[in-house]
Amino acid sequence: DIQMTQSPSSLSASVGDRVTITCRASLSISSFLNWYQQKPGKAPKLLIYAASRLQSGVPPRISGSGSGTDFTLTISSLQPEDFATYYCQQSYRTPPAFGQGTKVEIK
Amino acid sequence: EVQLVESGGGLVQPGGSLRLSCAASGFTFSTYEMNWVRQAPGKGLEWVSYISSSGSTIYYADSVKGRFTISRDNAKNSLYLQMNSLRAEDTAVYYCATESDPGSTFDYWGQGTLVTVSS
Repeated sequence: DIQMTQSPSSLSASVGDRVTITCRASLSISSFLNWYQQKPGKAPKLLIYAASRLQSGVPPRISGSGSGTDFTLTISSLQPEDFATYYCQQSYRTPPAFGQGTKVEIK
Repeated sequence: EVQLVESGGGLVQPGGSLRLSCAASGFTFSTYEMNWVRQAPGKGLEWVSYISSSGSTIYYADSVKGRFTISRDNAKNSLYLQMNSLRAEDTAVYYCATESDPGSTFDYWGQGTLVTVSS
């Protein structure tokens, strides 16, 4: 099975900061990488699919990049509604696997 | 508007059974592949099971294989998860989710239903 590793596990940032979360796959997954945002008590929400494609309705301050084994989620200017937990997920091979999550907290 | 509403969760004893349902509306359910994803309290997301649009192809996570059964009724716009031989480690919020291209991309999720396995 493919393992997904995110870093950091958590971070503290201020409104307006640029935030970067990384995700590494245990083998090459081409661009089959998705990012989700989850707020407490809510279902996950798809943000980015195919490594860099923005899901409809997601603000352009959120972007994704990478291919192969190394991927990045970037929030260019953190907004209050962005404080949440973010998960990467590989969609290259069954079973689909998620990273352990990165919690973005208010500094 | 796409809506997925899970039901059927609750408290069950170890070794017991439970059947989860997911009622779909706002889209052509019969054309969508569907999945169950779970999240243990305070933990991350874990994929559980997949079913193709016709129901002819099914996959399970190793952790539930042989104990859980996914099914669907396209006439009723409903997805199901029959869970048998439940263990404490199955305690989680269970979400149903639609799958879009590229495969295994979960674009719409329900609100989840909590399953607690405890004596």
